[in-house]
Order: sequence, then C-alpha cells, then structure tokens
Amino acid sequence: KAGVTQTPRYLIKTRGQQVTLSCSPISGHRSVSWYQQTPGQGLQFLFEYFSETQRNKGNFPGRFSGRQFSNSRSEMNVSTLELGDSALYLCASSLGGWPILNTEAFFGQGTRLTVV
Amino acid sequence: KQEVTQIPAALSVPEGENLVLNCSFTDSAIYNLQWFRQDPGKGLTSLLLIQSSQREQTSGRLNASLDKSSGRSTLYIAASQPGDSATYLCAAAGGTSYGKLTFGQGTILTVHP
Repeated sequence: KAGVTQTPRYLIKTRGQQVTLSCSPISGHRSVSWYQQTPGQGLQFLFEYFSETQRNKGNFPGRFSGRQFSNSRSEMNVSTLELGDSALYLCASSLGGWPILNTEAFFGQGTRLTVV
Repeated sequence: KQEVTQIPAALSVPEGENLVLNCSFTDSAIYNLQWFRQDPGKGLTSLLLIQSSQREQTSGRLNASLDKSSGRSTLYIAASQPGDSATYLCAAAGGTSYGKLTFGQGTILTVHP
C-alpha cells in the first residue's frame, strides 16, 4: 500500500511570505504528526492531529499552525517566514487512537523548505 | 521532559563487522522506542519498534533491545554492509505526549568496503 506522501518536495520562499505543506497519511491511519529537522536542532516535534483534533503541540511560535481534514490528510502552514525556518519538514502517520499508543510511526520523504 | 541521547555520534567500520549503536532516555515511562534509518536528504525509514512490554525485536540482521529500568536501548547490526551506511535515529514515545516522538541526535554510520 502507498506510504506517507508529502508535497511539495522542495520549496523556495522569501522572508515574510507564508507557505503550506501537505501530508497524506497511509490509508487507515488517523494520526498525523509533524517534525522540523535542522542540522543544529535535529528533529523537533511541531504538532500532532488525530481525527481532525490537535492533541499535542511542540514549542514553536504561533506562526506554525496545522490542520487535519476528515480524510486524515493534514496541512501545516508557516506564516511570516524567517530565514531560520529553513529546514526539512517531515510528517509521520500512525494508527493512533487511545489507548493504543504503541503504534509504529511511518514518515514521508519530507519537504525541503528554503527561505531566502 | 524526555531527553534522548545517542552514542557514538559517528562510527566508521569495515564491511563485515558487527556493531552496536546506543540510545539512552531519561524518562523510563515510555510506551515504545523506535529505531529509524535516514539516508541523506531523505525521510525516515522505520527499522524496529519495541513496545514497553518487550525486551527485544529482531528483523533480519538487526536486533534491538530495550531496558526501561536503566533507560537504554541498543541496536545491533550484524555483518555490516556498505549499504548500511546512513544516520540511525532512536525515538522514544511516552506518557500523554500523543503522537510525539522524542529523537536522539543520531549516529552517522559509515561502512567501508
């Protein structure tokens, strides 16, 4: 079956602009989480959605937001882009659900965002 | 707050060697620990998932162990091959942090012919 699909794969944006990234989870997976990966900070958690509800959020400014649709697809948005937002943005999907927390996370190939 | 540490940061070995990558975590109240592989510029590939009730998991040449009481996990790679060269990451999931994985900084593995 198809894996996690992220679009676009690459983006170049200018400071001050906004950007929307998309993630389609594995069919049947209801949890989608987002991570930012940079050489200096490694992988950092942004937020997690399950059944269209944000259940958890990392320590990122309000410029970072997300949402999940009824088909479990998710988008994240970054407004007023800064140079430091340049990173690889990864999304992961899992079955999710409570109290099933022992589910395996599967990652997409990521979106490489470059802010100039 | 969960913190995950991986040692060594980098490892270079000749082909055929058996090797061990280490991962430690500060909060033992984890639900599972997952090992990933990442090739340059690519996403993460799941290698093994160890649930909190398990002590180890095996897949082919890979074996991962988990000791919650000591806050440690190890990934054992048998008979390493050049194709194993990649960054290996461990990630802990726990508590009420739904969907949140706390990652280590990774071990960069190079297997030379």
